[in-house]
Amino acid sequence: KAGVTQTPRYLIKTRGQQVTLSCSPISGHRSVSWYQQTPGQGLQFLFEYFSETQRNKGNFPGRFSGRQFSNSRSEMNVSTLELGDSALYLCASSFEGRGGTEAFFGQGTRLTVV
Amino acid sequence: EDKVVQSPLSLVVHEGDTVTLNCSYEVTNFRSLLWYKQEKKAPTFLFMLTSSGIEKKSGRLSSILDKKELSSILNITATQTGDSAIYLCAVEAVGRGGADGLTFGKGTHLIIQP
Repeated sequence: KAGVTQTPRYLIKTRGQQVTLSCSPISGHRSVSWYQQTPGQGLQFLFEYFSETQRNKGNFPGRFSGRQFSNSRSEMNVSTLELGDSALYLCASSFEGRGGTEAFFGQGTRLTVV
Repeated sequence: EDKVVQSPLSLVVHEGDTVTLNCSYEVTNFRSLLWYKQEKKAPTFLFMLTSSGIEKKSGRLSSILDKKELSSILNITATQTGDSAIYLCAVEAVGRGGADGLTFGKGTHLIIQP
């Protein structure tokens, strides 16, 4: 079956702009989590959606938001982009997002803010 | 705040050697520990260890969870150049809404020289 699909793969934006990233989970998976990966901080948890509801949130400012649709596809939005938002954004899908189910990652979206 | 520490941060060995990667954690309400291999972008799932499954093995890779010491090791025997990658350890904890998302360590960058 198809894996986790993230679009776009690469994105270049200017400071102050906003951006929307998309993640299509594995068919049947209802949990989608978003992560930011930078060389200095490693992988950091942004938030998790399950059945269209944000269930958990990491320590990121309100500029980072997301949503999930009824087909489990998820979008992440970053407003008022800053240079420090340049990173690889990964999403992961799992069946329930609870203990006992592993998460499968997409290829990521490489965001560069100039 | 949940914390995951991996060591060493980088490791260079020769093909055929055996390596042991370490992961220690401090989390509230531990649920599971996961190992991932990241070669280019998407981390790929290796193992998940929980209280009911503290030892896993797949081919040349094996992993053990020590709940008393709050740590885990990942062993790779008879290493091959294809094992070169960043190995990520992540811990899942239980939050108010269910899973808290994964807290990742910074990773161990493993390089296998021919």
